[in-house]
Amino acid sequence: NAGVTQTPKFQVLKTGQSMTLQCAQDMNHNSMYWYRQDPGMGLRLIYYSASEGTTDKGEVPNGYNVSRLNKREFSLRLESAAPSQTSVYFCASSPITRAEQYFGPGTRLTVT
Amino acid sequence: GEDVEQSLFLSVREGDSSVINCTYTDSSSTYLYWYKQEPGAGLQLLTYIFSNMDMKQDQRLTVLLNKKDKHLSLRIADTQTGDSAIYFCAEAFKAAGNKLTFGGGTRVLVKP
Repeated sequence: NAGVTQTPKFQVLKTGQSMTLQCAQDMNHNSMYWYRQDPGMGLRLIYYSASEGTTDKGEVPNGYNVSRLNKREFSLRLESAAPSQTSVYFCASSPITRAEQYFGPGTRLTVT
Repeated sequence: GEDVEQSLFLSVREGDSSVINCTYTDSSSTYLYWYKQEPGAGLQLLTYIFSNMDMKQDQRLTVLLNKKDKHLSLRIADTQTGDSAIYFCAEAFKAAGNKLTFGGGTRVLVKP
């Protein structure tokens, strides 16, 4: 099993450009999450999907949209990138019966 | 409220024990987790403890939970250079749909 995979690994955008970060899991997990990690601020939840067909805002949702395409895939979209969105983005998934989350390797995004 | 706090940095000599501390504020938490993040990688689940337990041992790792003081600790015995990483504690509670709240992370540096 690959676990949680994310693409791309690295991305550089100019201010105002858009892009979609992809995430997929092969563990048959119900819940999926998007976090951003900034120096000195730990992990902050952007959006999550408790189950297929549902999405909810986390702590820092402004400037982002998400799509739970199916049970395996959960994408994060930046419609108009801003330098403040320079960060490392992690996707995670968890089974319905337990709370522990399994993380992807991350996407390092720089917005200039 | 939801707030998880950790000290920022810990330096330890190879072969000594490391103790990483975490305090949390939500007494209704159900599970508490420890994650490890190596440079350039995602978060790796190390161990967890149910909120009705006081202690859990897993090879070199010992987790202690003091519910009265809302204090969680992770002890790493015989610390190795490969243990150098950032360690995050996280709590989950049913009222929030088992979402995780992470501490800011403790950077552990193991010196030879």
